[in-house]
Amino acid sequence: GAVVSQHPSRVICKSGTSVKIECRSLDFQATTMFWYRQFPKQSLMLMATSNEGSKATYEQGVEKDKFLINHASLTLSTLTVTSAHPEDSSFYICSASVRASASYNSPLHFGNGTRLTVT
Amino acid sequence: TQLLEQSPQFLSIQEGENLTVYCNSSSVFSSLQWYRQEPGEGPVLLVTVVTGGEVKKLKRLTFQFGDARKDSSLHITAAQTGDTGLYLCSSGGSNYKLTFGKGTLLTVNP
Repeated sequence: GAVVSQHPSRVICKSGTSVKIECRSLDFQATTMFWYRQFPKQSLMLMATSNEGSKATYEQGVEKDKFLINHASLTLSTLTVTSAHPEDSSFYICSASVRASASYNSPLHFGNGTRLTVT
Repeated sequence: TQLLEQSPQFLSIQEGENLTVYCNSSSVFSSLQWYRQEPGEGPVLLVTVVTGGEVKKLKRLTFQFGDARKDSSLHITAAQTGDTGLYLCSSGGSNYKLTFGKGTLLTVNP
């Protein structure tokens, strides 16, 4: 089955530093990847849609300059949290859709998430 | 953006009991997915339903899609502790963008 790998699984950083999270589709090509944020015991909140070779589309209320997204290839998207603050601490999850089944019914495959803690 | 209402929000039951969780919308679903997420992990797809009235079974899990494609249910028979997790429904949209419900947090106690 389709596998999405997310790295790192956990990261602790100091306030003011930047953190990069990688999302890779291991056995398929993903023209579109999504980045979510999730608070404890709550659902996923879509942050942005990452399109290969073009700028990401951000959801309302998500700061583009704070959450930098790069989708340089069909198998890799990165999310960089810049100048991190304690309130950025959260669980970040990426997902990707299988390119071959180009349909809105295509299921998404999720990474295992990254637990970010900013001290 | 389609709004998805999930209920109940929290559910705590004993092992062996049956349960049903619901996902509803005021508008028609183009398709609907159910995911289960365990703590510290990403959601895992359980099923996709597309056709109104569709019923799908996955071992002890039974998924129903309403005739009008505005509601769906997930029924678990003889729940086990391994069923514990956050159950999310989602609906597809343009460009594969999914809308998620708030989820049902299920705890199955031994």
